[in-house]
Order: sequence, then structure tokens, then C-alpha cells
Amino acid sequence: QTVVTQEPSLTVSPGGTVTLTCTSNTGAVTSSSYPNWFQQNPGQAPRALIYSATNKHSWTPARFSGSLLGGKAALTLSGVQSEDEAEYYCLLYSGGSWVFGGGTKLTVL
Amino acid sequence: QVQLVQSGTEVKRPGASVKVSCKASGYTFTSFGISWVRQAPGQGFEWMGHINPYNGFTDYAQKFQGRLTMTTDTSTTSTTTFYIELRSLRSDDTAVYYCARDHDYVWGSWGQGTLVTVSS
Repeated sequence: QTVVTQEPSLTVSPGGTVTLTCTSNTGAVTSSSYPNWFQQNPGQAPRALIYSATNKHSWTPARFSGSLLGGKAALTLSGVQSEDEAEYYCLLYSGGSWVFGGGTKLTVL
Repeated sequence: QVQLVQSGTEVKRPGASVKVSCKASGYTFTSFGISWVRQAPGQGFEWMGHINPYNGFTDYAQKFQGRLTMTTDTSTTSTTTFYIELRSLRSDDTAVYYCARDHDYVWGSWGQGTLVTVSS
């Protein structure tokens, strides 16, 4: 059974840069894992940010970018703003099903 | 614009069934599949399965095989409604259930979520 792991929490200063990562216990995360990233604010539905590891949706702010980095999927926020404080989830395709990471609570402080 | 609007809160007894709907509008329905996902209180997300409205093909997570049914109702040309039915409910099925549009491994818009509470 695939387990997807993310940092439980990260803290970043306003204007700073932070990278969130997503790993799989089955091996390296690759483009064939079709990584998707989502942002969720308390009490709200998730909002899709990134698909296929690096591609942004039309509504995704330019400060968000996705990559594959050393066998992991990564989400980088550059020039962080206070409204970026939220929970972030990655999603990987593995063994014919989708598996979510446990989420990263991002604090902007 | 793409909209996915889900049905309202449900409270069910253990052993009962629940059916949640997701009304889609603003795009060509047959071109995009729908996945259903749930999030237990204070927990992460769990993928439940996917339906392809073009051919009705469904793909359920192994955990839910035999207890889950996904269907589609294309009643008008401007909207279509997706349904998920979960049977033999248990207390650990208490969660917010979401529909989300996904196609070719690209996840996009989500519904607002439906809280299902299972309690005696």
C-alpha cells in the first residue's frame, strides 16, 4: 500500500520562499505519478494549484510553482503572502489509484 | 464557468445507506471524469473512486468495493448530476464527501463538500 508523506508543518516569513515536498514509500516520485497539489483553507473545499508536477491552472498565482526534485514532488512558494497560510496536500497516482499525502500546515509568520 | 454543487448535510444511522449528489455545469460533461474523495474530521483525504461519464465506467478504491456505487444522470444538455451511494454505513464513514473533476490525471474544480454523519 502506497503511503505519501509530506512535512507536517512549515513556517515561512512574509516575502520569503518555502518548498514543500511529497514522497512515496514505493520509490521515486516521477512524472508517471502525475503529482497534483492543492491548497485548503479551514472549512473550505480544496483548490487545485498544480497538475502533472509542474503545470499551473489558469487561476494559480504565479508565485506557486511545482517541480520534481531528487525523487520527490515539490511545491515552491516564492514571495509568500499572508493569505498563503493554509494546508497543502499533494496527490499521487500509484498502482492504479490516487493517494493523498497527509498535508503540510504552512504558517506565515 | 465550471461549477460543482453538492447536496446538503446528511445524518444516518449505522447500517443505513447515503446518496450524495454533485450537480455539474459550465463544461462538456462527457469530456471530464469525476472522482469522489472524503475527509474525516481533522484528517486527510481519501480517494474513493472515479466515474467516466462518457461511457459510465467506474473505478473504485479496493477499500470500498461492494459498498460503493457511482452513477451519472444526464437529464439536460446544460447540467449533469453525479451520485455516490455508500451502503452499510459505519461510524468511521463520518466525513465530508467531495466530488472533483479529473481528466487525464489532471484534477481541477471541486464541489463544496457534503458532511455525512453516521451516528446512533
